[in-house]
Amino acid sequence: RKEVEQDPGPFNVPEGATVAFNCTYSNSASQSFFWYRQDCRKEPKLLMSVYSSGNEDGRFTAQLNRASQYISLLIRDSKLSDSATYLCVVSPGSNYQLIWGAGTKLIIKP
Amino acid sequence: NAGVTQTPKFQVLKTGQSMTLQCAQDMNHEYMSWYRQDPGMGLRLIHYSVGAGITDQGEVPNGYNVSRSTTEDFPLRLLSAAPSQTSVYFCASRPTVGNSPLHFGNGTRLTVT
Repeated sequence: RKEVEQDPGPFNVPEGATVAFNCTYSNSASQSFFWYRQDCRKEPKLLMSVYSSGNEDGRFTAQLNRASQYISLLIRDSKLSDSATYLCVVSPGSNYQLIWGAGTKLIIKP
Repeated sequence: NAGVTQTPKFQVLKTGQSMTLQCAQDMNHEYMSWYRQDPGMGLRLIHYSVGAGITDQGEVPNGYNVSRSTTEDFPLRLLSAAPSQTSVYFCASRPTVGNSPLHFGNGTRLTVT
């Protein structure tokens, strides 16, 4: 089992729809969690950190479920500009490394 | 607002040539790392450093060397370029205290012919 797993997609979603991704992790001692977005052939950019109580940033909501060991990202009222690959990142906490998921590709269609 | 700066942005090498990819950050981050990303693939860690004078291997270190003589700089050296090293290379940094995210440079697109 991979340490961090994501559905690779692609998710084809009409503009204005709500879409959700999940990301599962295997290390129950993991301490910090992030969502990044990556546009084609560009560097990954931090979308949001994920906090235990869940957090929201505009149209984006991130949640952590420690019992089931997954994090989720919800995008409401999706825009064409949301088309990208979304990367889930987990820090085991025992060292400085971050464990990256392979990414979920999202395509928003007009 | 420089953040993480990588040079060059693009590079073409012939097989067997050597070169150094430069990475500098101005955020006083202790942790710096190099990743490669092949087309349609995820990020793979090459080498990382948790401070000046300290480096360690990541997932795919073969064919690459690093050094960390200052907090700011973390160059990646390709010793003898091979076509399999054609990739996009990203440098990233973060503080070692707290649960901080990685900050990435813009990447170097390397082609080895």
